[in-house]
Parts: sequence; C-alpha cells; structure tokens
Amino acid sequence: DGGITQSPKYLFRKEGQNVTLSCEQNLNHDAMYWYRQDPGQGLRLIYYSQIVNDFQKGDIAEGYSVSREKKESFPLTVTSAQKNPTAFYLCASSKIGGRGVSYEQYFGPGTRLTVT
Amino acid sequence: ILNVEQSPQSLHVQEGDSTNFTCSFPSSNFYALHWYRWETAKSPEALFVMTLNGDEKKKGRISATLNTKEGYSYLYIKGSQPEDSATYLCKTGGFKTIFGAGTRLFVKA
Repeated sequence: DGGITQSPKYLFRKEGQNVTLSCEQNLNHDAMYWYRQDPGQGLRLIYYSQIVNDFQKGDIAEGYSVSREKKESFPLTVTSAQKNPTAFYLCASSKIGGRGVSYEQYFGPGTRLTVT
Repeated sequence: ILNVEQSPQSLHVQEGDSTNFTCSFPSSNFYALHWYRWETAKSPEALFVMTLNGDEKKKGRISATLNTKEGYSYLYIKGSQPEDSATYLCKTGGFKTIFGAGTRLFVKA
C-alpha cells in the first residue's frame, strides 16, 4: 500500500525540549511538505522540499528545522525556539509538475503535539 | 485579495439539499487552485486540481468551477448526503502554497 506515514499520532513534551516528528512516504514523490494547523485557521506551510538535500522555508519556519537526506523521509524538528509549538502537524507529498501542471498533495494522518 | 479566503465558515444542510461554497484567491500570478475534502479523523484528500480559467471539474455529485481573472472558485454539492460532512479546503497551487481556513459542512439525515 502506497502512502504517507507520520509517527507518533500524539506527542507530549515539556517546554524547552526539542522534538522530532517523523514523516515517511513510499509514493516516490519528489516534493514533501510540512504544515501546521491551529484551531480556526487554515493549514500553514512550515517547510517544503523539492529534492533530496534541499528544502525551503514556508511562511512560519521560525523555530523549526527539517532535513531531507532520503527521498522517502522528511523529518521535522520543533525546537525550543518555537514559541507556540502546541498544534496539529501534517506532512504531505506530491509529484512535481512542469509549467502549467500542478499535482495534488497526499497527506499523512498527522501528529498532535502538546507542549506543557 | 492577499490571502485565500473561504466562505461560509460553516454550513448546516439537510440531506438532499444542494449547496455551494466559495474560495477567493489572489488573481495575480495564478498557478493552480486545489480543492480538498477533510473528514474527521482522516487525512485531507484531493478533490480537484484546476489550472485554466473557466475550468469545470466534476466527480460524482461534486463539481467545481474556476474564474482566475476575478480570483474565485465555487464548489457545488448536489443532493448532499451525511457522508459529505467534512471540511472542504481550497489552496493555491505551487510550492509556496496558501490554504484557506476551510468550510465545515454538516449534513443532517
């Protein structure tokens, strides 16, 4: 079965600790994305990657870091510098289209992070 | 419009009603417009990807239209069913993508 997996589903951490959220895909997609959702808001882009060993900041990258050492994996680290880390985090992947072509994104089940 | 806006925020309909919602987006530098359905306890799933002005897409009872010149897209659901209850999201295409906050649809049997 092809798809995207995120683990864990729920994560609890103490303030001041870094935490890494896992995202793996076996869809052979080049692009991967991390989003954050807060109540009443749309999904906001944290980071995206179009290719291995390359990634770009989204709208709310401060306090987060990512790596893309393998095509299948795009882990997100929430650092202690992130002021409001408690949120729902979604990972997605997609093919990359050429000019005038846009492919849909496939989403993982999400990780709900609570920092106290 | 600098952001992607969706209206209404939520909608309550009876089974069998037809309904529609709106997604407004910046019309300059348009690349693509995506619609997703997000059911509770599931992952968002793509409904449509639209790139051309005047595009109309259909999947069963759900259809969408696109006006890139004025910056809006409509999603229509004909004969709503309880299983249509979900949050419907739109987003602009491209890598630096912007999602709307969604329209939450509740269909009562």
